[in-house]
Amino acid sequence: DTEVTQTPKHLVMGMTNKKSLKCEQHMGHRAMYWYKQKAKKPPELMFVYSYEKLSINESVPSRFSPECPNSSLLNLHLHALQPEDSALYLCASSAPGVVYRHEQFFGPGTRLTVL
Amino acid sequence: SQKIEQNSEALNIQEGKTATLTCNYTNYSPAYLQWYRQDPGRGPVFLLLIRENEKEKRKERLKVTFDTTLKQSLFHITASQPADSATYLCALRGSTLGRLYFGRGTQLTVWP
Repeated sequence: DTEVTQTPKHLVMGMTNKKSLKCEQHMGHRAMYWYKQKAKKPPELMFVYSYEKLSINESVPSRFSPECPNSSLLNLHLHALQPEDSALYLCASSAPGVVYRHEQFFGPGTRLTVL
Repeated sequence: SQKIEQNSEALNIQEGKTATLTCNYTNYSPAYLQWYRQDPGRGPVFLLLIRENEKEKRKERLKVTFDTTLKQSLFHITASQPADSATYLCALRGSTLGRLYFGRGTQLTVWP
């Protein structure tokens, strides 16, 4: 299985809602990432988990809360979001322990709209 | 942090021609550089990785060069096809393991 899956594909939520994005991979990768991508812009890194521990937080607002329950799963919990948080949220994984093999495998993304 | 520039936002070429995309970076030279393809509304797909000690890498119709003196990578698609139409992103590793910096991408359109 060489795929990263993300659910849901689309999500519409109000500013007072709480929702979660889910990401799963079964490639044995031990690094997982959340990115945010706005239209016509490159992906922007939000969080990195390495061996299930948060290793990078790119000063993301606390209304985004990541969680890595195990080596295959990555969640992003959303609460009290703003309309400007509307974007494509991408999950990726890679094998951090393999020298020079740091390509990242991306999921299809969740299109989030905050009303 | 790394600053990455991809020479043009959009490139339009005729089917069968060679598309050449440019990626320039500032600051330190990365150990390697990557190219990704992204289709609208989808996640990027890894294409090629080239290391700093490699001048050129090929994969089928794709060719990547890496010039650490010029701080530049060129990405070529030969015998281009309409199915090659997509946005192509250049990415470089940051100083922290796992951090990738992406360029803004070049949107390639191949017309018949």
